Amino acid sequence: RKEVEQDPGPFNVPEGATVAFNCTYSNSASQSFFWYRQDCRKEPKLLMSVYSSGNEDGRFTAQLNRASQYISLLIRDSKLSDSATYLCAHRRAGRRALTFGSGTRLQVQP
Amino acid sequence: SQTIHQWPATLVQPVGSPLSLECTVEGTSNPNLYWYRQAAGRGLQLLFYSVGIGQISSEVPQNLSASRPQDRQFILSSKKLLLSDSGFYLCAWSLGTSNTEAFFGQGTRLTVV
Repeated sequence: RKEVEQDPGPFNVPEGATVAFNCTYSNSASQSFFWYRQDCRKEPKLLMSVYSSGNEDGRFTAQLNRASQYISLLIRDSKLSDSATYLCAHRRAGRRALTFGSGTRLQVQP
Repeated sequence: SQTIHQWPATLVQPVGSPLSLECTVEGTSNPNLYWYRQAAGRGLQLLFYSVGIGQISSEVPQNLSASRPQDRQFILSSKKLLLSDSGFYLCAWSLGTSNTEAFFGQGTRLTVV
């Protein structure tokens, strides 16, 4: 089983829709969680950290479910500019580097 | 503010040729540094990370090596490139002392022909 798993998609949604992605992780010792956005042929850019209590940044909401070992990203009122690949990442206890999922591709259509 | 520079942006190299990719970070001291590779349509694979000058940890056995000659400089090298070394190479940094996010350079797209 992969350490971090994501549905590759693509998720094709109309503008204005609400879309949610999940990311499951296999290591219960994971300590930190993040969502990154990656545009085609570009580097990943941090979208938001995921806190235990859940957190919101504008149209984006991230949540952590430790019991079921997954994190989620909710995007409300999708914009064309949200089209990208969304990567989840986590850091295991005692480890410096982040481990990434393979990403979920989102295509927002007019 | 902190910035990370990575070059070159694109590179086409013949099989068997050497490789040197450089990454530098500005605006922070003693960062953790990382090299990742992303194959087409795939996730990020950690290749190397470093917690200090001269300290390199290798994640996967391969045809590549890394060095950290200065606090904010990280170099990825190969003596002889293979076709399978093609990919998108990304340097990243994170703060050295806390459980924080990583920030990426612009990446080098390497094609071995």
